[in-house]
Amino acid sequence: GAGVSQSPRYKVAKRGQDVALRCDPISGHVSLFWYQQALGQGPEFLTYFQNEAQLDKSGLPSDRFFAERPEGSVSTLKIQRTQQEDSAVYLCASSPDTGPLNTEAFFGQGTRLTVV
Amino acid sequence: AQSVTQLDSQVPVFEEAPVELRCNYSSSVSVYLFWYVQYPNQGLQLLLKYLSGSTLVESINGFEAEFNKSQTSFHLRKPSVHISDTAEYFCAVKETSGSRLTFGEGTQLTVNP
Repeated sequence: GAGVSQSPRYKVAKRGQDVALRCDPISGHVSLFWYQQALGQGPEFLTYFQNEAQLDKSGLPSDRFFAERPEGSVSTLKIQRTQQEDSAVYLCASSPDTGPLNTEAFFGQGTRLTVV
Repeated sequence: AQSVTQLDSQVPVFEEAPVELRCNYSSSVSVYLFWYVQYPNQGLQLLLKYLSGSTLVESINGFEAEFNKSQTSFHLRKPSVHISDTAEYFCAVKETSGSRLTFGEGTQLTVNP
């Protein structure tokens, strides 16, 4: 498809379970972002990739969160030993440019994670 | 660091009425400004953006926003809303030299018949 694709759309995990969330960015887009959107809140930055390089991971809330983009296209956000506070919508966005030229991010529909 | 404050969490209006969604930001460096819209069960979509030049920017569906540097505001306006404008609206900023977006908490616009 032409847009950013995320899978699964919905995920229910038992507390303590590991989860992996996938993002397929728009083909050719250099920049890829992960955001976390808690219920009733705005999205909050988690991490940023430029091609395969993870240039900023300052938003990851704990060392249970890990993201990768090994070939500079598809990215996976992994959460280990999920906790209830991890329940949120996880948004992926991609952009064709970097830095000052990065003026538009295209968002996927998100993965809604519910930890029970 | 930047921050964004959306002053109203919910804005109910009647169809064909004017609306203003307020956004104030704080930043020590130059920023770009954005409004995103999120319809139910859909991803965020860019509505409009201010990069430089004219302080008034417009979208294709009748929304406009004005960048006011002295008041650090970027309010979103529409002179006459439709039922289909019902959605959540997010104001966001990005450092001109940076990459990440910083979002406000969102304003739920509900247009009633």
